[in-house]
Order: sequence, then C-alpha cells, then structure tokens
Amino acid sequence: EVQLVQSGAEVKKPGESLKISCKGSGYSFTSYWIGWVRQMPGKGLEWMGIIYPGDSDTRYSPSFQGQVTISADKSISTAYLQWSSLKASDTAMYYCARHKGLRAPATDPWGQGTLVTVSS
Amino acid sequence: QSVLTQPPSASGTPGQRVTISCSGSSSNIGSNYVYWYQQLPGTAPKLLIYRNNQRPSGVPDRFSGSKSGTSASLAISGLRSEDEADYYCAAWDDSLSDVVFGGGTKLTVL
Repeated sequence: EVQLVQSGAEVKKPGESLKISCKGSGYSFTSYWIGWVRQMPGKGLEWMGIIYPGDSDTRYSPSFQGQVTISADKSISTAYLQWSSLKASDTAMYYCARHKGLRAPATDPWGQGTLVTVSS
Repeated sequence: QSVLTQPPSASGTPGQRVTISCSGSSSNIGSNYVYWYQQLPGTAPKLLIYRNNQRPSGVPDRFSGSKSGTSASLAISGLRSEDEADYYCAAWDDSLSDVVFGGGTKLTVL
C-alpha cells in the first residue's frame, strides 16, 4: 500500500525549534516529489513547498520562503519540515502529500497530518 | 484572500446534482490543470479529480470535473449524506510560481 505517515502532534513554545517528518512506503520514494501544505485552524489549504528526495531539489512557495526549511533523507524514505524559531501563528495542521510533477498540485496519497500548537 | 475563488457554501438534498465553481485567471486555471480535493471533517484532504477531469481509481463516477477558460467546476450527482465535506480546487500559477488553492466550499446535504 502506498502511504505517507507523519510524526505525531507537537506542543511548543514561541521561539523553540521543531522538525516534523513524513515517511513514505509502498513506492519508490526517490521518484516522486513530496509537498507540504498548511491548514490553520478553521481555514483553507496553503501550499508551502516541495522537495524531490532523489536529489533534494527543493522549491518554496513565495509565502513561506525563509520561514521554514524542507529537507529529505532518502536512505530512510523520509521528508521533513522544520522551523528554527516558532511563532504562535505557526499553529496549524501540516500535511505532506505526494506530487506527480513539480508545477502541479499534489495527487495522492496525503499524510494523516501533524498538528503543531505553539503557545506560551 | 484566495487566488482561486469558490463559493463558501453549497447544499443539496440526497439524490440531487450539485456543482461547485472555481474561478481563476490566465496564469493559473487558464493555462494549467485543475485539481479537486475532498476533506471530510477531521481528516486529511483526498484527491477527487486531477488534470481537470480525471478520476483516481476508487473515486465514484458520481464526481466529475470540467474546465472552460479560466473557470472550472466540480459536479456531484446522486448526492449522498457521506458527501458532506469541504471541497477545494487547486492549480499551478505560472506568475506566482506557486500552487494556489480556492478558499474551499462547505457542502451540506440537507
């Protein structure tokens, strides 16, 4: 079964760092792009960026450039999304999803989501 | 303010046909494929339609997509209670170099 499994929910304080993960299985992880999508509480979907685990080619949405870092470790079929200094406004659900191509939205599967709560 | 424009809500009774619109511009819908997602309450989005009108395996043929110019539509026929969800359209935007989403449409089955 093709699936993406994300790491568990996190509760952090403002200013702390965080790295969440997305592990792929059931397919060639290095052959498909992996993207990240943010969904703030009660809001819609926002595309953050994308990585090709085969060569770590990474692109960011202009809205998220410089705010987060996307990386991948192909040896363990895992992609990451990280923050160096969290803000309360980073509180959201974050989804990873497989993309068939670079300049196109995600297809399937999607991860189950990781809830990040940032509160003092 | 989302780049793609969807109605915030839609509704229908069981068995009815409903359509959800998605309006964009020449840099997104006008020149790229449209994708549609269904998000059931408390769950991750699920791909419903890709490349304007293609259904992934497992998606019932009650769901169909179309595109004309800078607008797209999702049609759901034979509406069921389990179709009650949020629906999002998305496309690549050549000017923004970004994947853009609609704001989402909450479908209520009366």
